[in-house]
Amino acid sequence: AQSVTQLGSHVSVSEGALVLLRCNYSSSVPPYLFWYVQYPNQGLQLLLKYTTGATLVKGINGFEAEFKKSETSFHLTKPSAHMSDAAEYFCAVTPKGYSTLTFGKGTMLLVSP
Amino acid sequence: DGGITQSPKYLFRKEGQNVTLSCEQNLNHDAMYWYRQDPGQGLRLIYYSQIVNDFQKGDIAEGYSVSREKKESFPLTVTSAQKNPTAFYLCASSTTPGDQETQYFGPGTRLLVL
Repeated sequence: AQSVTQLGSHVSVSEGALVLLRCNYSSSVPPYLFWYVQYPNQGLQLLLKYTTGATLVKGINGFEAEFKKSETSFHLTKPSAHMSDAAEYFCAVTPKGYSTLTFGKGTMLLVSP
Repeated sequence: DGGITQSPKYLFRKEGQNVTLSCEQNLNHDAMYWYRQDPGQGLRLIYYSQIVNDFQKGDIAEGYSVSREKKESFPLTVTSAQKNPTAFYLCASSTTPGDQETQYFGPGTRLLVL
């Protein structure tokens, strides 16, 4: 069975500061990994995904994530936070060959002026 | 524009009542999913369907039922057996199940109990 752990239910940063949201996973087979963002009372939007190939993945809105197999991690980063980045972020995993996603519990990103 | 629509945006349920949440997609996707979201719990899979006239239980299927009579529609019924139905419900779809294609999400329905 696969699982996802997101460290920190809330992360606070100042505008312009580095954003780092942590995600660790467990999977019995090579995983496919995703980051989604959710604004209040809305559905989820895909930020980026790792399937195969380059382990550093670039997504929308300046976000990127690096797949580190040895650390079973897929942390999300952005060099400079904007106020518009305030939202809830979800990491998700699916083992290769499966059809359903397992989500982490989410991290709320708070951005202060 | 292609996308996923969910209706209604808000739904109120009385004790002992069944209610049905609508999910429609015009993306020509084969697979559709229903998730339940509670604060601090992330998303939990209720049911999913990989093809018309076929569906599978997810992690928390008890008290829910679905049908998939048409490719574009995947309604979810919350039955009276679901004792704690208050949550945000999200529908999603993807192209080919098992190929790890992106799941696209609808805007959600918030269900409240009167």
